[in-house]
Amino acid sequence: GAVVSQHPSWVICKSGTSVKIECRSLDFQATTMFWYRQFPKQSLMLMATSNEGSKATYEQGVEKDKFLINHASLTLSTLTVTSAHPEDSSFYICSAGGSPGQGVHNEQFFGPGTRLTVL
Amino acid sequence: QKEVEQDPGPLSVPEGAIVSLNCTYSNSAFQYFMWYRQYSRKGPELLMYTYSSGNKEDGRFTAQVDKSSKYISLFIRDSQPSDSATYLCAMTLGGYQKVTFGIGTKLQVIP
Repeated sequence: GAVVSQHPSWVICKSGTSVKIECRSLDFQATTMFWYRQFPKQSLMLMATSNEGSKATYEQGVEKDKFLINHASLTLSTLTVTSAHPEDSSFYICSAGGSPGQGVHNEQFFGPGTRLTVL
Repeated sequence: QKEVEQDPGPLSVPEGAIVSLNCTYSNSAFQYFMWYRQYSRKGPELLMYTYSSGNKEDGRFTAQVDKSSKYISLFIRDSQPSDSATYLCAMTLGGYQKVTFGIGTKLQVIP
């Protein structure tokens, strides 16, 4: 299957700082990338959907000015958590959807996740 | 009411047992149904993928979809300790629409 990587896998930061998380599709072109957040003992919750070259679409309740998403190329999307606070501590997971004809229809390939801890 | 309901468990079974995992959903428009396996502190990996109603088998895994009852199942035969993980059901309307996940069922297979 297609491979999606995330970097960093684990980050600790001080409250008030910004953190950037990268999501890369390594062997396919991802026209659509998704960012999820998973709190302990809860399911993955979609934060936003981004299409290459256009603005991200945020889910209700997700602050677009706090969670900046950039999908500048077909293989890279970034999520920047601005002015992070302890309540932003979570497991952030990206997924990438390939172009039509790649993989299973509608399959999303998930990255390994980034664990963010804000002190 | 949540769109997707899944018992979080935990579910403990002895090695070799048949495991049955289930989800119910409320949106009859869902067309694509998936099961993901997630190990601790890792991203989910796709196990099974089914379009519309019916059964699909892949090795020890069988996925069932009953759209009339809005009920999906994943069966694991001859369960192994390496199957110990959290299993998430997921579904979507189609295309590259957002995927809605269940909360996940934590499974432990005891040697």
